[in-house]
Amino acid sequence: ELKVEQNPLFLSMQEGKNYTIYCNYSTTSDRLYWYRQDPGKSLESLFVLLSNGAVKQEGRLMASLDTKARLSTLHITAAVHDLSATYFCAVDPGTASKLTFGTGTRLQVTL
Amino acid sequence: GAGVSQSPRYKVAKRGQDVALRCDPISGHVSLFWYQQALGQGPEFLTYFQNEAQLDKSGLPSDRFFAERPEGSVSTLKIQRTQQEDSAVYLCASSLGLDPDTQYFGPGTRLTVL
Repeated sequence: ELKVEQNPLFLSMQEGKNYTIYCNYSTTSDRLYWYRQDPGKSLESLFVLLSNGAVKQEGRLMASLDTKARLSTLHITAAVHDLSATYFCAVDPGTASKLTFGTGTRLQVTL
Repeated sequence: GAGVSQSPRYKVAKRGQDVALRCDPISGHVSLFWYQQALGQGPEFLTYFQNEAQLDKSGLPSDRFFAERPEGSVSTLKIQRTQQEDSAVYLCASSLGLDPDTQYFGPGTRLTVL
């Protein structure tokens, strides 16, 4: 059974600081997704990572994938309050069907 | 263009009632997914359609849960004889059906069973 773990589960950081969220998964996969969810809202797609060594960047967020280590990271650079949300990673085991999500990392950026 | 829409957005049911949740996918999207999200948790897969065919229903928690997509577009998730543990947000997602693919999520239906 595929398991996806994220850490930390909760992250409080000051504006302007850098931090990294980690996503570990238990089975071989080269398809990993990052989503953002604001309170009471649905999931917004952030990044799709499809190969070992893939790196994607959008604004202050950068995601990478190491399929050999079964690890993806979401790096936040110089955080701003607008980034406060819950971030989920999700793994597609290769069937192009169901995603298995991590438990989420709730990010709170304080002034 | 229009995204995935779901209705109702909120549903309160008494234990034992049947409920039906609707999902309108993005036009032209072949694949449709249902997920259940408990409070403070990540979404968990329930079932998956490709056009009108239900290809995977391994995540449905019991035989009280039933999903259909008869014409390959709109889908309905039905829960019979609701229980308190069914309280959750039910998310629908659709995708083009490519391999690999990106799933686009609707706003969800928050179901509360009293």
